[in-house]
Formats: sequence, structure tokens, C-alpha cells
Amino acid sequence: GAVVSQHPSRVICKSGTSVKIECRSLDFQATTMFWYRQFPKQSLMLMATSNEGSKATYEQGVEKDKFLINHASLTLSTLTVTSAHPEDSSFYICSARRFQGVYNEQFFGPGTRLTVL
Amino acid sequence: KQEVTQIPAALSVPEGENLVLNCSFTDSAIYNLQWFRQDPGKGLTSLLLIQSSQREQTSGRLNASLDKSSGRSTLYIAASQPGDSATYLCADPRHGNNRLAFGKGNQVVVIP
Repeated sequence: GAVVSQHPSRVICKSGTSVKIECRSLDFQATTMFWYRQFPKQSLMLMATSNEGSKATYEQGVEKDKFLINHASLTLSTLTVTSAHPEDSSFYICSARRFQGVYNEQFFGPGTRLTVL
Repeated sequence: KQEVTQIPAALSVPEGENLVLNCSFTDSAIYNLQWFRQDPGKGLTSLLLIQSSQREQTSGRLNASLDKSSGRSTLYIAASQPGDSATYLCADPRHGNNRLAFGKGNQVVVIP
């Protein structure tokens, strides 16, 4: 149990285009999902918290108009990188929170490698 | 702001040796502590979650301890195998909103 998928796993796009990345919790419902970005040899940096049925909460320095997040259901959150530029090239990872009584555990997707030419 | 430090940043050990990976926090008010494994170009796999009321957790050859008073956690991997080669990340899920604060990881190479 507790499987999180991401699609696509890898995407290459031209500068100026928009890219949508999907994050799905396959066998549990997730009211909260998280989006991270990871640059080579760096740790994960939280970009935003995605809440089902409400607006996402963005971390300081993350442009909400640049990185659009939609959490339309309890099993799906999407991240759209709008007007992508080469500096947006990175590894994007989502996680989904599974609530179990008094504590929560996060499960991560396999990541999406974005390359902007 | 919680800052997480992992030492050593990288290490190589021969197969069969035990591994000791350290994780420390600037804010010792830790609620839970989670250890992850990340293979190159992949997502994270949850290894162990230590709840606030616990001092350690064990899963197979893995044992993680948590000392909240000093803001430290240690991951022990017994009898390392080449398949243990990966980057190990510790994270503090902030109580209440579950935003994870990550360290940069311990990059481990187990030499056959």
C-alpha cells in the first residue's frame, strides 16, 4: 500500500511552453500533497503544499503564477510550470500525506525530470 | 527555521561493514523523525518513521534512534550490501502542517 505515482517521468520542452505534471495517490486518499524541487546534488526544497478543494500554500520565493497547483480530488494534484525557462529544469517530486491516527507519514512519487531547452 | 545537517555527506565502505549515518537539527522540538532512501534519479522511499513517543525503530537490518533532547537521530545499517548504495535523507515533519525539513543527505557507496 501507500503508492504514489507521477506522470510523466521525464519531459523535455521548449522555452516558453507550459508543462503539467500529475501526482496520484493510488491506494489511499490524500487531503494534502506536497511539491518539491531538487537540483543536482542538493536536497529537496519544498515548493508548495497542495490542499484538496482549496488554494495551495506556496513557500517563500516560489511564484504562484509560475507554478500552478490544482488539487481537484483526494487522489490527484497537478503542478503546471507555465512559460517554462531553462532555469526551471529540475527534478520535481510530489508527496502525499496519509493520515493514520495521531501521526502522518508522507509517501513520495518517483519524480519527474523536466528539461527546458 | 529548522535546519537539518547530515554527517558524513558521503562515505564508501566495503561490503559487510556496518553503516552509521548521523542527522542533527537546530530546533530540537522534533515531533516525528523520518528516514528516507533515494536512488539516483528516483523519488524517495520511506524507510523508518520514529514517532514522538518512541526512541528508536527497527526494520530488518535498519535501526534508527532519536534523541530529542539533543536534536539528533542516527541510522544504523548492519552488514551493508552493495544494494544499500544510495543517498539517505532524514526529515523532520513539522507538527501540525507536516512540512518536511530535509537534510542534504548521506551519500553511501558499498563496495563489493
